[in-house]
Amino acid sequence: QSALTQPPSASGSPGQSVTISCTGTSTDIGGYNYVSWYQQHPGKAPKLIIYEVTKRPSGVPDRFSGSKSGNTASLTVSGLQAEDEVDYYCSSYVDNNNLVFGAGTKLTVL
Amino acid sequence: EVQLLDSGGGFVQPGGSLRLSCVASGFTFSSYAMSWVRQAPGKGLEWVSSISGSGDITYSAASVKGRFSISRDNSKNTLYMQMNSLRVEDTALYYCAKGWTTSPFDYWGQGSLVTVSS
Repeated sequence: QSALTQPPSASGSPGQSVTISCTGTSTDIGGYNYVSWYQQHPGKAPKLIIYEVTKRPSGVPDRFSGSKSGNTASLTVSGLQAEDEVDYYCSSYVDNNNLVFGAGTKLTVL
Repeated sequence: EVQLLDSGGGFVQPGGSLRLSCVASGFTFSSYAMSWVRQAPGKGLEWVSSISGSGDITYSAASVKGRFSISRDNSKNTLYMQMNSLRVEDTALYYCAKGWTTSPFDYWGQGSLVTVSS
């Protein structure tokens, strides 16, 4: 199973919005609404920020939002803050009880 | 407070074996599926294996199928990963996580480092 396709990097200025894409196929993102997004600070375990495409766990700021169109899911971070400058990973359920992650995107706040 | 405490990592030669453990607290362990996710040094996340709350259903990635075995002891609130026939490419930080292939990983352990090298 190949990793989902994410851009290696993304950037935006403080206060702006940035969107990170995550592209798969009809056997994963396109076929199911089990897309999650994780935020990972250096040397730390990942943290869940979006699940089931659009849902936010309790405590996650509403600056983080998710969406999906066809085989591509997206994470939008609005009102960029310096603390958002970390790595982001998408994941999706895949046919036949598998799960795949994206390769990760490093977000830079300019 | 949910806590997951990973242990059991270490240095092993190719072809060797290791068993990882993850002790859970702060939730009803037997009611939730659990998983292992790994991250090679400087690389992205890779799902390894998942097990249902009762332990009767398991799924594994093709890269570890037949070599790694996930299990759990609900009486001890502990998740295990038996890793056999280890390869250099299995070198990674192994995280236990609460979640399943169709449910998000909402809590993660701190990770246990496995290094496979001759």
